[in-house]
Amino acid sequence: AQKVTQAQTEISVVEKEDVTLDCVYETRDTTYYLFWYKQPPSGELVFLIRRNSFDEQNEISGRYSWNFQKSTSSFNFTITASQVVDSAVYFCALSEGFTGANSKLTFGKGITLSVRP
Amino acid sequence: DAGITQSPRYKITETGRQVTLMCHQTWSHSYMFWYRQDLGHGLRLIYYSAAADITDKGEVPDGYVVSRSKTENFPLTLESATRSQTSVYFCASRRGLAQYEQYFGPGTRLTVT
Repeated sequence: AQKVTQAQTEISVVEKEDVTLDCVYETRDTTYYLFWYKQPPSGELVFLIRRNSFDEQNEISGRYSWNFQKSTSSFNFTITASQVVDSAVYFCALSEGFTGANSKLTFGKGITLSVRP
Repeated sequence: DAGITQSPRYKITETGRQVTLMCHQTWSHSYMFWYRQDLGHGLRLIYYSAAADITDKGEVPDGYVVSRSKTENFPLTLESATRSQTSVYFCASRRGLAQYEQYFGPGTRLTVT
């Protein structure tokens, strides 16, 4: 069965600090997909990134970067020079396979990030 | 471009009443999903649908019923609401297979008194 663990529950940083949000996953499939979502205080869920199991290249988007390591089953998310607007709950999620019962998205419990001015 | 919408956004109902939460998407996405979000549990899948007239149970389906007669709509019904069903409900859609991301509606906050 697939599982996503976000061991950090709450993180508090001061603005401009760098912060890394950890995500560890478990799956028996060789083909799977990893996602990060952001849930700001307003409550909506915003898609941030998708990564395929066969693509271990790291990705950078502005102040955001993602480090995918199959050897440690981790898909960590780093925010550089954090800002108050980054305050949110961040979810890591995993999807296995292509169709049917395996097409569900399993979420971690989320990490609450607070960025203080 | 409305995307995915949910109604109502807030609902208070009494124990034992039937309540239906609506979800509508304008993208013609094949897959649709219902999740509930509770403190300490994160997001849990209630039901999902791969296409019109095809639905399947998720992790926590008890007490819920879904239907999908049209691709764009995926209503969730609580047949006899209980206090334990007080939660925030999110509908999501996905255009195809598992490699695609899901897009979420704004959520419905349901309180069962």
